[in-house]
Amino acid sequence: GEQVEQRPPHLSVPEGDSAVIICTYTDSATAYFYWYKQEPGAGLQLLMSVFSNVDRKEEQGLTVLLNKKDKQLSLNLTAAHPGDSAVYFCAVGFNTGNYKYVFGAGTRLKVIA
Amino acid sequence: AQTIHQWPVAEIKAVGSPLSLGCTIKGKSSPNLYWYWQATGGTLQQLFYSITVGQVESVVQLNLSASRPKDDQFILSTEKLLLSHSGFYLCAWSWQYYAEQFFGPGTRLTVL
Repeated sequence: GEQVEQRPPHLSVPEGDSAVIICTYTDSATAYFYWYKQEPGAGLQLLMSVFSNVDRKEEQGLTVLLNKKDKQLSLNLTAAHPGDSAVYFCAVGFNTGNYKYVFGAGTRLKVIA
Repeated sequence: AQTIHQWPVAEIKAVGSPLSLGCTIKGKSSPNLYWYWQATGGTLQQLFYSITVGQVESVVQLNLSASRPKDDQFILSTEKLLLSHSGFYLCAWSWQYYAEQFFGPGTRLTVL
């Protein structure tokens, strides 16, 4: 079945440094890719969506890269600050006709002031 | 603007008791609706989706059921809770097939 692997599970970076999170997905007519942020006890906040015809997307200090050859999706937070501390999830919408979304295991990011 | 509301915010229930969780979306007609379960510190597991009133599809079996009685309402329920049902339940909507999903604030369920 469709799978998404996310790494690292935990990440600590000093304030002002970059943080990179990577997801690897199985090949299955994939079409849509998403990054979410979850703060403690809260729902998920959509950060960025990327369609399979896009290789790179930048918005507000975030860069998403899609490498279809290696089936890899990455999120780069440039100049991280303490407010970025949260759990980050990638999600993939597999275009298999069953409205299925698969989430990565999550990365707990801590930005140290 | 669309808003998504979940109720209750939290529940503490006994094993074997019934459960009903609700989700309402305002400001969007005919949304696709989803239920997810999240174990503490874990990832999200998609449970159900619905693309129209009265039609619900199961993604994974967890002794739970779902219904969509109105266009803007999604209900998750069970007649008999298990300890394994504890966790965080999230409702989400999307405007079309595989579009980005928008999540509600969630309901924390503790089964004792």
